Amino acid sequence: QLQLEESGPGQVQPPETLSLTCTVSGGSVRSGVHFWGWIRHSPGRGLEWIASIRSSGSTFYNPSLKGRLTISIDTSRNQFSLEVTSLTAADTGVYYCARHGSGPAGRAAPFDYWGHGTLVTVSS
Amino acid sequence: SYVLTQPLSVSVAPGETATLTCGGNDIESKSVHWFQKKPGQAPVLVIHYDTDRPSGIPERFSASNSGDTATLTINRVEAGDEADYFCQVWDPESDHLWVFGGGTYLTVL
Repeated sequence: QLQLEESGPGQVQPPETLSLTCTVSGGSVRSGVHFWGWIRHSPGRGLEWIASIRSSGSTFYNPSLKGRLTISIDTSRNQFSLEVTSLTAADTGVYYCARHGSGPAGRAAPFDYWGHGTLVTVSS
Repeated sequence: SYVLTQPLSVSVAPGETATLTCGGNDIESKSVHWFQKKPGQAPVLVIHYDTDRPSGIPERFSASNSGDTATLTINRVEAGDEADYFCQVWDPESDHLWVFGGGTYLTVL
């Protein structure tokens, strides 16, 4: 059974940089089929897709976050990571990592496996 | 960017039917997925590809997609169905690509 687990700092001060890592077990991030993504949930904004990556290194970013994002993948550790720079209180929320892109639908396929999420609070 | 519009809240009594909508321009041309999100838990996929239930999702959950509106229907609503429900699509013509609706909170009275 595929499992994803997020790790992160919990609390970050503005305008620092947030670094999150998702460790995948029960499957491989080397899969050329899947996308590995980050989604966040905040009370005022609901669910918001942030970024995704494929094992090939292809990256996809939410333009609303205006160049503040870097997503990367480490196939040797079976992990993928997210950095968000210039943090503000608006970046507070629960950050989830998830797999998507399974099956012939490819990019139209749903996010089918999720981590439990990690709470990030941006506060001084 | 592509926008998915959901009502903020829906309330139903136990045993009744809940109807949750997700509006988007020509949404019927897209594959719509629905997620249930309870506090402190990861989202759970309850409907994929407009109408299909993933393994383990009760038959009480069904959905449709037509015109500019996708609909999630929950029959014989139970207290445990109280949660946020989000619709989601992939929009290749949008720079936001993977889009979520704002979510509807289902209250079981």
